[in-house]
Amino acid sequence: EAGVVQSPRYKIIEKKQPVAFWCNPISGHNTLYWYLQNLGQGPELLIRYENEEAVDDSQLPKDRFSAERLKGVDSTLKIQPAELGDSAVYLCASSKGLAGGNEQFFGPGTRLTVL
Amino acid sequence: KQEVTQIPAALSVPEGENLVLNCSFTDSAIYNLQWFRQDPGKGLTSLLLIQSSQREQTSGRLNASLDKSSGRSTLYIAASQPGDSATYLCAVRGGGSEKLVFGKGTKLTVNP
Repeated sequence: EAGVVQSPRYKIIEKKQPVAFWCNPISGHNTLYWYLQNLGQGPELLIRYENEEAVDDSQLPKDRFSAERLKGVDSTLKIQPAELGDSAVYLCASSKGLAGGNEQFFGPGTRLTVL
Repeated sequence: KQEVTQIPAALSVPEGENLVLNCSFTDSAIYNLQWFRQDPGKGLTSLLLIQSSQREQTSGRLNASLDKSSGRSTLYIAASQPGDSATYLCAVRGGGSEKLVFGKGTKLTVNP
């Protein structure tokens, strides 16, 4: 069974440019999460989807960040415009929810560098 | 607000040693606790998941315990190997929330 897939793995952009990250969760996982991980820190939740509905986006900086999961499978996280402080690793995770004990499985992440 | 602390921040041991990593959390009303491993430049690999009703979980050389009342969990690694070198992260899911709150991790180095 394939794990959580993310692309690109690495992205270098100049500040004020837009950037987008893509995630494909494990098949059958209805819950999808986007996390932000700064160097030396644990991941912090940005947004959680139950199917196509964003049920927790309280930590998402909505002035520049947006996300979508149109068909309840793949998801895209966008930053526009990017700032220097956005340099971090963006992790996507998925879970089966209660049926799977809510165990979360993570993708390899996208490392973003903003110059 | 749930806070998760992991001690020590870094640990270096010789190969073959048994070791314990510690995780503490401030709010004991948790749904479950998950231990992850993260290799440099990689994502997180789930190691063990302990539900709030459980006291421990085992997988191979790994054993994780949970004491909800004291807000503590430990990850025991038996007969450590150089391949165990990684950062180990503890995360708790609060009751009524799907959100995982992570500690900062313990960076483990196992020397040959």
